[in-house]
Formats: sequence, structure tokens, C-alpha cells
Amino acid sequence: QVQLQESGPGLVKPSETLSLTCAVSGYSISSGFHWGWIRQPPGKGLEWIGSIYHSGATYYNPSLKSRVSISVDTSKNQFSLKVNSVTAADTAVYYCARQIRASYYFDYWGQGTLVTVSS
Amino acid sequence: EIMMTQSPATLSVSPGERATLSCRASQSVSSNLAWYQQKPGQAPRLLIYGASTRATGIPARFSGSGSGTEFTLTISSLQSEDFAVYYCQQYDSWPPLTFGGGTKVEIK
Repeated sequence: QVQLQESGPGLVKPSETLSLTCAVSGYSISSGFHWGWIRQPPGKGLEWIGSIYHSGATYYNPSLKSRVSISVDTSKNQFSLKVNSVTAADTAVYYCARQIRASYYFDYWGQGTLVTVSS
Repeated sequence: EIMMTQSPATLSVSPGERATLSCRASQSVSSNLAWYQQKPGQAPRLLIYGASTRATGIPARFSGSGSGTEFTLTISSLQSEDFAVYYCQQYDSWPPLTFGGGTKVEIK
């Protein structure tokens, strides 16, 4: 059974960098698939942030591209998200998820982690 | 960017009744559409992909239809566990992947 688990600080100060890691178990990242990050502000809908292929190729939402970086560490079977220069608008539950090969919907999701941007 | 619009925003339905949720794309996405269910405090769960194929373990009372720009998720007989928020997502043209704003199915 594929499982994903997000981890990282729950509180980040404005203008600083938000960093999260998604640990994958039950499947080897290096075997394929895209791996994505999605966020959900409190009481609002879902927003795709970006995705990474096991090779390291990345795809970002143009609305966030200038501030976002996604990387993969196949040796640790995990991938990571960084969002620079955060503001209160970046406060959200952040989810990591697996995307089906050759299609790009999300079949497995982490439980999500709330990140609050506040001084 | 393909915009996804869901309607209605809220749907009030009695248990045992049928629920019909709509999702419209700003341009054709062929059949590259997925539906997710999200309950409070939980991650979204994949229900439907390819516009009409149920994901593993999804009950037969959930069905999806449509292609191009108009899509429908139907829950044939609502059970108590089906009251949740439902999102559609297109994966035909990306980046970006885009979601609809969601439809909340509440108890009438």
C-alpha cells in the first residue's frame, strides 16, 4: 500500500521560506510516476502547486513558479517543496500526492499538514 | 489555463435521494477529468478518473459522465457517509493542473 507523509514546520514567518518534505513508503519513487504538491487555504478549494518526475523534471503552477522549488531525493524515497517569500496568503494545508503515469490525476494523497504564515 | 467551474456550490439532499453535480471546463479536456471526495479534516479521495471510470473500491452508486467541456457526477442514493465536498480536476492540458471550486453536498 502506497503511503505519503508530509512533514515540516507548522509556523513560518512572513518573508521567510516554507519547507516541507513528503516521505513515500510502499513504492519506490525511482520506479516512476510524477509526485505533486497541492494546497488548500482554510475553508477554500484545492490549488495545484507543482509536480516532479522521478528523473527530476519539474512542472510548476505559473501563478507560483517564481517562488516555488520542488526536488526529489530517491535515496531517501522522498520529495520536497520550498516556497520563498511567504505571506499570509500562503497559509494552507499542504498535501503531497502521487500522479498516475501517463494520466495526471492523483491516486494517493498524504494526510496533509497545516502551515501558518504569521509573525 | 483551463478554468473549471462547478455547480451548484451547495447541494441539499435527503439520504436515499439522488445527487447530481456538474463540472464545466473553459475548453475541451476530452475525457481527462477526475472527481474527488473530501470530508472535513481529511485529504481528498479519488472517486472517478477518465470522466467515468470508478477508482478502486469506490461504490457503484457513484458514476461519472460527460466529455469535452461538460461533466456530471451522480450519486444514485445518498448514504450518510457521502455528505462531503466534491471537486473535479482536469488533467488534459498542464501546467497548470486545475480544480473546480467544489460542491458541498449537505443533508437536507
